[in-house]
Formats: sequence, structure tokens, C-alpha cells
Amino acid sequence: GNSVTQMEGPVTLSEEAFLTINCTYTATGYPSLFWYVQYPGEGLQLLLKATKADDKGSNKGFEATYRKETTSFHLEKGSVQVSDSAVYFCALSAGYGGSQGNLIFGKGTKLSVKP
Amino acid sequence: NAGVMQNPRHLVRRRGQEARLRCSPMKGHSHVYWYRQLPEEGLKFMVYLQKENIIDESGMPKERFSAEFPKEGPSILRIQQVVRGDSAAYFCASSPGAGGVNTEAFFGQGTRLTVV
Repeated sequence: GNSVTQMEGPVTLSEEAFLTINCTYTATGYPSLFWYVQYPGEGLQLLLKATKADDKGSNKGFEATYRKETTSFHLEKGSVQVSDSAVYFCALSAGYGGSQGNLIFGKGTKLSVKP
Repeated sequence: NAGVMQNPRHLVRRRGQEARLRCSPMKGHSHVYWYRQLPEEGLKFMVYLQKENIIDESGMPKERFSAEFPKEGPSILRIQQVVRGDSAAYFCASSPGAGGVNTEAFFGQGTRLTVV
């Protein structure tokens, strides 16, 4: 079946450090891939997405490239800020014509950025 | 344009009581999805509904849980005879349709259910 595996946290970085959060997936067909961010006490917000192999999603300095050959979608940011402290979820779409509503999530990676 | 609205934000129930969680989708959205987030876990899909129809309930527990999305009004997730293991954050998402990979789903802020 479909599944998502992401690196366990917590991850603690100093401001301006480089960030990588690994995500790999198992899926039949050609899923779309997503990164969501959850700030404390809030719901999930879509951070970026990629819908086909070799696509690069980017937003707010974050990037992730859909790698079909390695079934990966690693999240990266060159210089993190304290305001990036949150939980990050990798997810894939499970079907229904590609609807993004039926998603399979990883367990989440908590990021803490220190000043 | 209001986002997905969930209420209440926090709900405390004693074991054996009923919990009703409400979700009003974004304006123009006719597809609703419910997820459950257990502590230290990712979100798990529960059910997918369109107006007056359950499309996929493969993630719903077989007993005590039900969901509806009536023609008028919000979607309701109902948990009967709650137990401590039902304590979790319940998130609702909505999308305008299932019309392809660019149909983004928007999430509400969640309802945090605590069973005491």
C-alpha cells in the first residue's frame, strides 16, 4: 500500500543553518507529493507541492524535488529562521482523480530553530 | 473569504458521552475530509464526503464513529460513547472538487477532543 516515511525529530538548528528533512514514499501509480507545516496550536498549511517526477516545489525559501528514481521528496531550506519552528509533514495523494483531500501523511518532524 | 471553520476548538467529554465535531468548508467547496491526529503521530485519513454522500470511509473505526455532510449546514463527525483512546486532534479539510491534482485541500484549525 501507499506510505510515507520521514525522518524523526526533533531537529534543533541555529538560525541561518541549512535544513534538510528527509522524506521517502511508497506508492502505486504516480502520486502527487506535498509538504505541510503545522505551527503550534494551528491546523496544517500547505507549504509546497509537486505533481510529477522532477518537479520542484518551492515556497518561502523552502524547496523539495520529486525524485521518482529514489522515491524521495526531501525538504530543504538554505537559511532557517526562528519563525520556521514548527512541525513539518510530508504527504502524498492517494487517489480520487488526484484530489488532494485524501492524503497519506508521514509522522511529522518537529523543527526548533534557536536564535 | 473565510477558511475552513471547525468548532469547537476544544471539547472535553467524560467517558461514555457523545462528541459532535463540526466543520464548515470554505465557500464553494463541496468536498470534505476528516482526519485524526493522535499525540506524536501524523494525520490519519478517516472519511471523505460530498454533499449528502459518503465517498470513502475506509479510515473510520467500525463502531461508534459516524460522519455526515448534509445538503444544508456543516459536516458533522459524531463519536458515540467516547473512550480515552478517542482523545486526539480532529482536522477537517475541504476542496472544491476532485477534479485533478491541482485541487488543493484547505485544513481547518482542528478540534482537540479530551476524554476524561
